[in-house]
Amino acid sequence: GAGVSQSPRYKVAKRGQDVALRCDPISGHVSLFWYQQALGQGPEFLTYFQNEAQLDKSGLPSDRFFAERPEGSVSTLKIQRTQQEDSAVYLCASSLGGRRDPYEQYFGPGTRLTVT
Amino acid sequence: KNEVEQSPQNLTAQEGEFITINCSYSVGISALHWLQQHPGGGIVSLFMLSSGKKKHGRLIATINIQEKHSSLHITASHPRDSAVYICAAADNAGNMLTFGGGTRLMVKP
Repeated sequence: GAGVSQSPRYKVAKRGQDVALRCDPISGHVSLFWYQQALGQGPEFLTYFQNEAQLDKSGLPSDRFFAERPEGSVSTLKIQRTQQEDSAVYLCASSLGGRRDPYEQYFGPGTRLTVT
Repeated sequence: KNEVEQSPQNLTAQEGEFITINCSYSVGISALHWLQQHPGGGIVSLFMLSSGKKKHGRLIATINIQEKHSSLHITASHPRDSAVYICAAADNAGNMLTFGGGTRLMVKP
């Protein structure tokens, strides 16, 4: 079956623009995660959904970052008034289990955001 | 917050060598993940383990819960194993992963 997909794969935004990044998880996966990976570093947690509920958003770096998963499947990460420091690869992952279930996470290919 | 450290940061090996990558973490976890990331960003899950040892082909992962340490071994390394290997700790409160900084492996023919 299809894996996790993300779109767009690449996005160039001018500083101050708003961007929306989409994640399509594996069908039936309960949990969905967003991570941010700066160049040359390991990913860092941004936010976590269990179905449509956003259970943890402690990793969102500022109130310019907003994520939603209104029907418990597709998720969108929105960044308002982008800044250069937002340039990174944004990774989405999904897993079958809910919170407290250590299921394997399946990663999408990522969206590389460059803010100029 | 869990602190996850990996070593070495960079590793160059000759084809056929046995490779070990180490990962240590600071607080208790529900599981430890080993991930592989190729140039271009795609991440593939290699192992998820909470105790003992797992083996898949030429890859072996071990974990020592008491010592808060895990290792990833690659036997008979091959140039196609060249990638970044990342360990990530899943905390007890949920599935949030804290990632190590990655080990960049290059295997030369």
